[in-house]
Amino acid sequence: AQTVTQSQPEMSVQEAETVTLSCTYDTSESDYYLFWYKQPPSRQMILVIRQEAYKQQNATENRFSVNFQKAAKSFSLKISDSQLGDAAMYFCAYRSPQGAQKLVFGQGTRLTINP
Amino acid sequence: GAVVSQHPSWVICKSGTSVKIECRSLDFQATTMFWYRQFPKQSLMLMATSNEGSKATYEQGVEKDKFLINHASLTLSTLTVTSAHPEDSSFYICSARSGEGFYNEQFFGPGTRLTVL
Repeated sequence: AQTVTQSQPEMSVQEAETVTLSCTYDTSESDYYLFWYKQPPSRQMILVIRQEAYKQQNATENRFSVNFQKAAKSFSLKISDSQLGDAAMYFCAYRSPQGAQKLVFGQGTRLTINP
Repeated sequence: GAVVSQHPSWVICKSGTSVKIECRSLDFQATTMFWYRQFPKQSLMLMATSNEGSKATYEQGVEKDKFLINHASLTLSTLTVTSAHPEDSSFYICSARSGEGFYNEQFFGPGTRLTVL
């Protein structure tokens, strides 16, 4: 079974600075999907960014980008120019292209933005 | 993105009663729906996966007789917590997906907070 590990329970960053959230995963599959979700205080889960494993190019979405290292099974999220609205829990998730394609979530990282 | 709604957003019930939570995909047909449970400051724990017209597939350790899931149409799934007890108090989140490709995003509902007295 696949597992996802986020080793940073909490992170903080100054507004306008850059922060990187770590995520590692374990799988024997060669093709899969990876995601970062944001859960603000409202608890509504929001998709931040996604990556297909067979694509070597790192995904980017405005201020959000990933560093995908397939051999190392690492999928970190970089947030540039941090804003107060970025404060939230961030979850890394793995999805197999096989079967029910369930999302497997990491433990989460709580990100605080300091003004 | 597409919208998934949940009703009610919060519910308080007495121990021993049953509670039904509805999950609707408002602007797309959801071939697959998922139910999660989230304890405070913890991650989402998948309870079950359901496909329209089929029986739900429960994760290991989830009591199927306690958490009844029905996916009667492509836009509606329900979770019924039967004979609820205080330990069932939690935040329940549903999500829905319209297909199985990479670009078939899984959209999440806003969640339902259940408190059992």
